[in-house]
Amino acid sequence: AQSVTQPDIHITVSEGASLELRCNYSYGATPYLFWYVQSPGQGLQLLLKYFSGDTLVQGIKGFEAEFKRSQSSFNLRKPSVHWSDAAEYFCAVGDVSGGGADGLTFGKGTHLIIQP
Amino acid sequence: GAVVSQHPSRVICKSGTSVKIECRSLDFQATTMFWYRQFPKKSLMLMATSNEGSKATYEQGVEKDKFLINHASLTLSTLTVTSAHPEDSSFYICSALGTDTQYFGPGTRLTVL
Repeated sequence: AQSVTQPDIHITVSEGASLELRCNYSYGATPYLFWYVQSPGQGLQLLLKYFSGDTLVQGIKGFEAEFKRSQSSFNLRKPSVHWSDAAEYFCAVGDVSGGGADGLTFGKGTHLIIQP
Repeated sequence: GAVVSQHPSRVICKSGTSVKIECRSLDFQATTMFWYRQFPKKSLMLMATSNEGSKATYEQGVEKDKFLINHASLTLSTLTVTSAHPEDSSFYICSALGTDTQYFGPGTRLTVL
C-alpha cells in the first residue's frame, strides 16, 4: 500500500525567508505526486503536480518541487515566503495504474507559520 | 476554471437523523468524484469513489450503508450520512476529477449532537 510522510507537523519561517517542506512517499513505482494547500474556509488548492518528465516542477504562487526517485521524496520549495503563504500544506500520491482516476493518499500535512 | 462547490458548508444535527451533503462541479463535467473525511490535525482519508451512473466504491472500513453516495449526474454527487452519531462529526470534503487532477470542494463541517 502506498503511504506519504510529511515529517514536519509545524514549520515557522520568517517572511521573506526561503521555505522547504518535506515529503516522502512509499510506493512500488513512480507515483503521481501532488502538493495541495489548504487555507481556513477554503478548499484544497493544487500547487503543482508531477506525473513524469522533468523532475523539477514549477507550480503556482512561486512554488516548485523536486522529485528525487533515489530518496522517494517530493519536497516543496519557495525562495521567499509571504505572509499569505501561511496555511496547511499537504503532499499526496496517486496510483499510476489508475491513470490518475483513483483517490489520493495524503500525508498528515505541515502547518506553515509565517513570522513578520 | 475547475471550481467545485459543497453545500452546506456547516451542518448541525441531532443524533439519529440523516444529513445530505452535495458536491457540485460548477464548470466542468466529472465522471468521477471522491469523498474524503478529515479529522482534526489529520490528513484526508479517502472514503469512497463515486462514478456517475454506477455504484460507489468504498474504502475498507467505511460503512456503505451509513454513508450513502449517489452520483446521478456529471456535475453532482451527494453523500448522505444516515442515522448520524457524534462519532460521525467531522469535516467532509469532496473532489471532482478533471482531466488528470482532482479539484476539491471547500468542505462541510458536520456536527452531530
